[in-house]
Amino acid sequence: DGGITQSPKYLFRKEGQNVTLSCEQNLNHDAMYWYRQDPGQGLRLIYYSQIVNDFQKGDIAEGYSVSREKKESFPLTVTSAQKNPTAFYLCASSSSGGTTDTQYFGPGTRLTVL
Amino acid sequence: GQQVMQIPQYQHVQEGEDFTTYCNSSTTLSNIQWYKQRPGGHPVFLIQLVKSGEVKKQKRLTFQFGEAKKNSSLHITATQTTDVGTYFCAGLTDSWGKLQFGAGTQVVVTP
Repeated sequence: DGGITQSPKYLFRKEGQNVTLSCEQNLNHDAMYWYRQDPGQGLRLIYYSQIVNDFQKGDIAEGYSVSREKKESFPLTVTSAQKNPTAFYLCASSSSGGTTDTQYFGPGTRLTVL
Repeated sequence: GQQVMQIPQYQHVQEGEDFTTYCNSSTTLSNIQWYKQRPGGHPVFLIQLVKSGEVKKQKRLTFQFGEAKKNSSLHITATQTTDVGTYFCAGLTDSWGKLQFGAGTQVVVTP
């Protein structure tokens, strides 16, 4: 469980504002991921990054943006274009993104847009 | 696209009873992973199955991967209150590590 931090745990924003969620890991993992979790649903992949300075869209990337300037950090920006941003956001990392990798999750950020 | 379905969505269990949750994929999986998320928490990795027909046990938990590598199950015996949470299966089809998560089975244990 340890090694991945997300802050803050709870975040409130007004509609129309962009907001950036932080994700930091000290596991020396190459791959990092952002998921969105809604009640009664599984985790849906927003973006993923296999290596620094490279990232790919997941299944629900619209309205989100990311950067991967450092190996340890993978911040997610929820833009005003995201139609329904209120959700629980989970960041994860894995060693290399390979086929037998397991993912380690951060504690999550619960975003509420008012 | 590829989908991973889990049933049941909810499972109410009396303490001491057994139960099983099932995971089915529309496509063949390279491997399948199981995660547990406690209420208010984040998913934690439980186990990974890679081989066709593979069975793995962790104390009271038994995980199975189907022969066709399209389905999996998690069986818990003698359920305890510590088993409360949501169990997710996650299947891998790509050559890269993109997992497709099922919607999860939320388990409630009655003492």
